[in-house]
Amino acid sequence: NAGVTQTPKFQVLKTGQSMTLQCAQDMNHEYMSWYRQDPGMGLRLIHYSVGAGITDQGEVPNGYNVSRSTTEDFPLRLLSAAPSQTSVYFCASISGGGSYGYTFGSGTRLTVV
Amino acid sequence: AQKITQTQPGMFVQEKEAVTLDCTYDTSDPSYGLFWYKQPSSGEMIFLIYQGSYDQQNATEGRYSLNFQKARKSANLVISASQLGDSAMYFCAMRRKDTGRRALTFGSGTRLQVQP
Repeated sequence: NAGVTQTPKFQVLKTGQSMTLQCAQDMNHEYMSWYRQDPGMGLRLIHYSVGAGITDQGEVPNGYNVSRSTTEDFPLRLLSAAPSQTSVYFCASISGGGSYGYTFGSGTRLTVV
Repeated sequence: AQKITQTQPGMFVQEKEAVTLDCTYDTSDPSYGLFWYKQPSSGEMIFLIYQGSYDQQNATEGRYSLNFQKARKSANLVISASQLGDSAMYFCAMRRKDTGRRALTFGSGTRLQVQP
């Protein structure tokens, strides 16, 4: 099915561990972005990309790295997990000229203990 | 900086009635786009409706319509004939000027509960 695929759906990490959240889209969308959602809050932008090889920081980038080697994939790396990074993470994509909604993945629920 | 404000943390509505969810925004960008998303308890983000700042008419999609008042900087979502399946969190969002309009900024959301 066309869309945005995020893996894993759930993850528990110990403080200090690193991991990569995967995001892949098969719609040939130029723009991709990562958000985190904390209880009682809306989604906040972590990083975004406007095409392969081009990424930039959002409003809460600290502790996260991204890369975009292909149009399809936009992984999010947690370098050294902290309890403050416990959250639900969403990846989203949209075509460059789109006035339609961004397509979101189903989310990754991450707990850091 | 851009900001989206949703002042209703929670709303109740009776089944089959209409409900309005409020959204106000602040931006210096002359060209902007506004979105509404639904997030059911299962957690996924579902796109509902889009309004461009230069659109002459209010957007409509089935039972969803957007009451866009540009001078007041408001973009309220109207759901007509509410259904039990409409119970969810609803988020208003805007394209972010600081990302070249490539990503979104979100409000804090409104939890809607539809009562039978």
